[in-house]
Amino acid sequence: GQNIDQPTEMTATEGAIVQINCTYQTSGFNGLFWYQQHAGEAPTFLSYNVLDGLEEKGRFSSFLSRSKGYSYLLLKELQMKDSASYLCAVRPGDSSYKLIFGSGTRLLVRP
Amino acid sequence: EAGVTQFPSHSVIEKGQTVTLRCDPISGHDNLYWYRRVMGKEIKFLLHFVKESKQDESGMPNNRFLAERTGGTYSTLKVQPAELEDSGVYFCASADTAGQPQHFGDGTRLSIL
Repeated sequence: GQNIDQPTEMTATEGAIVQINCTYQTSGFNGLFWYQQHAGEAPTFLSYNVLDGLEEKGRFSSFLSRSKGYSYLLLKELQMKDSASYLCAVRPGDSSYKLIFGSGTRLLVRP
Repeated sequence: EAGVTQFPSHSVIEKGQTVTLRCDPISGHDNLYWYRRVMGKEIKFLLHFVKESKQDESGMPNNRFLAERTGGTYSTLKVQPAELEDSGVYFCASADTAGQPQHFGDGTRLSIL
């Protein structure tokens, strides 16, 4: 089966760093995506990992370990506007280009 | 550049009625995807178009759902007849090429009474 796990909720303080973990068990692997979603809005693409290692993009970084079926999203210098849901999604190893999503992590940034 | 647009943003219908959702992808994007999120669950894949062809419809729940993309531009998703368990948010996404990140619309919130 296909399974993606991430924490349901996290709380962090403005200006701090937070790490959101994602573990996956899928039939094959062809890349992992992180999306940000504010309530009532579209999921917005943040990052993409297909090889092991760290991808950095401004305040956001994403890490992948394929052997461990593990990824994390690192958010630095947290801002209030970073309060949102963060979705981990995997593209499985079959010929499909569909994404399999986790349930999302709701991040609350406090002053 | 306009993003993915979906219409309507909300729809409330009674069980047994028909509803049609529309998605306009980003201009020039050949790849169009439909997903849905039912209450309390994760976003789940429904199907994938490449231009006007259905590339993957493995996620379509049953034959009450019909997706079309005539002409390879906008797409419609029709639910007929609607059942209570069809309630949820229906998202559309598009991508330039199939391997590229998918860009999502704001979704259509569908409520079946």
